[in-house]
Amino acid sequence: SQELEQSPQSLIVQEGKNLTINCTSSKTLYGLYWYKQKYGEGLIFLMMLQKGGEEKSHEKITAKLDEKKQQSSLHITASQPSHAGIYLCGADLIFGNEKLTFGTGTRLTIIP
Amino acid sequence: EADIYQTPRYLVIGTGKKITLECSQTMGHDKMYWYQQDPGMELHLIHYSYGVNSTEKGDLSSESTVSRIRTEHFPLTLESARPSHTSQYLCASSGDRGELETQYFGPGTRLLVL
Repeated sequence: SQELEQSPQSLIVQEGKNLTINCTSSKTLYGLYWYKQKYGEGLIFLMMLQKGGEEKSHEKITAKLDEKKQQSSLHITASQPSHAGIYLCGADLIFGNEKLTFGTGTRLTIIP
Repeated sequence: EADIYQTPRYLVIGTGKKITLECSQTMGHDKMYWYQQDPGMELHLIHYSYGVNSTEKGDLSSESTVSRIRTEHFPLTLESARPSHTSQYLCASSGDRGELETQYFGPGTRLLVL
């Protein structure tokens, strides 16, 4: 079974609309990382969350980690074509392990 | 932007050939990683290194081998490529700050074995 579930698997959103991507684990998320990937490219680091209830924003992207540290959400406001790509969450599921477990990814398409 | 490089970006090769995928970083990071990414987008850790002369196998079994002779260089080698090795290979590195460390990724190598 997948340790880190992402939903939805794919998302088609009209330009200008808001959207949310979720990353859920049955284990404590000691560190939660959001990455974006263009097709055939490497991963671009977006944000890292560590504390329960933490929220970070960069431009129109906001990431939150819930109080129980088992779920994170990535919210994009007023989506633009440049937001299209694959979003992956990665997590430290074992404290001090220093190895990330990755989610299954969400493919985001922005239509005009 | 992360200073981590991978070559080649794309490689098409015949079965049985030996190949080496290069990865280098200029950030002075101690830790480096190799991931294999399947078409379903999921990343699987195949090798990692915590420093020079330190290498470990990851969670996904792989026929590839790695070496870490210099801090900045972490090449991955396949002695005899097979079609089942066709995949995207991503290299990453992270620094040692004593707490949670962000992994920074290279652009990837897309390998096709015929």
